[in-house]
Amino acid sequence: AQSVTQLGSHVSVSEGALVLLRCNYSSSVPPYLFWYVQYPNQGLQLLLKYTTGATLVKGINGFEAEFKKSETSFHLTKPSAHMSDAAEYFCAVSGAQGAQKLVFGQGTRLTINP
Amino acid sequence: GAGVSQSPRYKVAKRGQDVALRCDPISGHVSLFWYQQALGQGPEFLTYFQNEAQLDKSGLPSDRFFAERPEGSVSTLKIQRTQQEDSAVYLCASSYALRGNQPQHFGDGTRLSIL
Repeated sequence: AQSVTQLGSHVSVSEGALVLLRCNYSSSVPPYLFWYVQYPNQGLQLLLKYTTGATLVKGINGFEAEFKKSETSFHLTKPSAHMSDAAEYFCAVSGAQGAQKLVFGQGTRLTINP
Repeated sequence: GAGVSQSPRYKVAKRGQDVALRCDPISGHVSLFWYQQALGQGPEFLTYFQNEAQLDKSGLPSDRFFAERPEGSVSTLKIQRTQQEDSAVYLCASSYALRGNQPQHFGDGTRLSIL
């Protein structure tokens, strides 16, 4: 069984400040991990993914995440927030074998203050 | 088309009516997934197709929900005798590979409101 916990349903930062969105996962098999972003009335857009190899992965729009197996975490960061980053962010996990359904966290709404 | 297309974008139905939601995946994508997203929640898995075969329907909440993909391309999610708790956004996603390391590409969803 797999599950995802996103700590903080709402995060608010100032424009130009560091963005940190937390994600912890539980998986009985080696996980694949994903971060998606959702803008209002739109579907989910992939930000980045971890499958194998380098544990620090870089994604679009300046975001990156680090897979830490010992901490079962996959936190999302961005050095400097931009107003356009305001959205809902979802962390998701799937199994490492075969085509697998995604198990999502509850989401974190990111607000950027001017 | 360039992305996953879902129709209609919005659907309002009266309780007890049947509805059908359509998904056009990205051309050539083998895998197709349906998810249900309640207001303020993360998406939850409903069902998965590999080509025309429905390999996993463990997330369908009741036998009122039925999905098909007869020719391995377009998929339809049907809900019979709708209930108010069926109100949600229904998301479709497709992936070109069979393995989970390939990302799923999502459509914009169908927002279903049951009155």
